[in-house]
Amino acid sequence: GQSLEQPSEVTAVEGAIVQINCTYQTSGFYGLSWYQQHDGGAPTFLSYNALDGLEETGRFSSFLSRSDSYGYLLLQELQMKDSASYFCAHPPSGQNFVFGPGTRLSVLP
Amino acid sequence: NAGVTQTPKFQVLKTGQSMTLQCAQDMNHNSMYWYRQDPGMGLRLIYYSASEGTTDKGEVPNGYNVSRLNKREFSLRLESAAPSQTSVYFCASCVDSYSNQPQHFGDGTRLSIL
Repeated sequence: GQSLEQPSEVTAVEGAIVQINCTYQTSGFYGLSWYQQHDGGAPTFLSYNALDGLEETGRFSSFLSRSDSYGYLLLQELQMKDSASYFCAHPPSGQNFVFGPGTRLSVLP
Repeated sequence: NAGVTQTPKFQVLKTGQSMTLQCAQDMNHNSMYWYRQDPGMGLRLIYYSASEGTTDKGEVPNGYNVSRLNKREFSLRLESAAPSQTSVYFCASCVDSYSNQPQHFGDGTRLSIL
């Protein structure tokens, strides 16, 4: 089977750095993706890790450790517009996708 | 840049009614997906189509049917709607199901069943 776990909520202040963790248990592994979803909106792709290490895209970075079955999304220089839900996701069988339950990030002024 | 287009955006049904949710993508993607998202929850895969002519069940297929009409279109049908199917439905597409390319989502259909 496959499952992903994330914290349900994270709160941080503008300008800070926040890390959102994702742990997974899966019979197969084909990489870990991250998506952002604002309230009432559709999920949008942020980043993807196929191999161990850090991937950086502007203020957002994503990290993967396959040996630890663990990844995280790092958001730097937080802005109010970063308040949203963040989902980790992976295709356990290489075909379909499983999404984590999501982490709701609240950025305070 | 239409991307993934879903219709309708909102719908209210009575228990037992049927309806079809439409989805079309203009990105020449091979793979398409249907998800449901309940309040405060993550996305759960209903059905997916890895390529034109194929469909497979996801995590929560009961009560739904799908049709991959052509490469562009992937519809989701509720034959006899139940209150438990009240949810937001998202369609998504991807270049293919094996390359781990990003999924592109439509704006969603907000469905209420009374």
